Amino acid sequence: VQLQESGPGLVKSSETLSLTCAVSGASVHSVTQSWNWIRQAPGKGLEWIGYIYTRGTTNYNPSLKSRVTMSVDVSKNQFSLKLHSVTAADTAVYYCAIEGDDGSYYFDHWGQGSLVTVSS
Amino acid sequence: SSELTQDPAVSVALGQTVRIPCQGDSLRLFYASWYQQRPGQAPVLVFYGKNNRPSGIPDRFSGSNSGSSASLTITGAQAEDEGVFYCSSRDIDSHHVFGPGTNVTVL
Repeated sequence: VQLQESGPGLVKSSETLSLTCAVSGASVHSVTQSWNWIRQAPGKGLEWIGYIYTRGTTNYNPSLKSRVTMSVDVSKNQFSLKLHSVTAADTAVYYCAIEGDDGSYYFDHWGQGSLVTVSS
Repeated sequence: SSELTQDPAVSVALGQTVRIPCQGDSLRLFYASWYQQRPGQAPVLVFYGKNNRPSGIPDRFSGSNSGSSASLTITGAQAEDEGVFYCSSRDIDSHHVFGPGTNVTVL
């Protein structure tokens, strides 16, 4: 299984950050896995942004919920993140990850990460 | 949302054993998962659930869960085990939460 994030590395303050995660070796059709976004600000720890299931169910971090939109494109086997009204505090490496769900919850596959810098 | 707490740093002599604790109310309901992150790399899952180690992870990594606590133990630490270790779990609202990470140094 491989995940690959893609999107602009530089976003202007107040605009929308858009990232896509291309999935290979697994299918976003899966109904037992969730498709997640996690970020890491420079020198900081991991912050979960949210997940989406193929059928459209989403769950977002309460601290970001008002600005986050996630979607799944089954035809392209990929999923996406939009973060609106960004500020410098949103500068981070953004990871996409698959959550395994077999009674335990865990992120067993991660992308390599995509650095997004918010400029003023 | 729930929170998980971890010690900021720990060191271990080469070949010795180190335990990395994690605490939080969400651990009463959900098992912890553990991730190792080396500098400049994405996190890697090293242990999860009641007693599960992903394929390719050495058996010197083990985990335990009890009440509101979980821990990851490295038995016979190697130089390549250095890095930041994060615990994580779901919470009652199905959100995910990560601990702040423990920086492990192998002496």
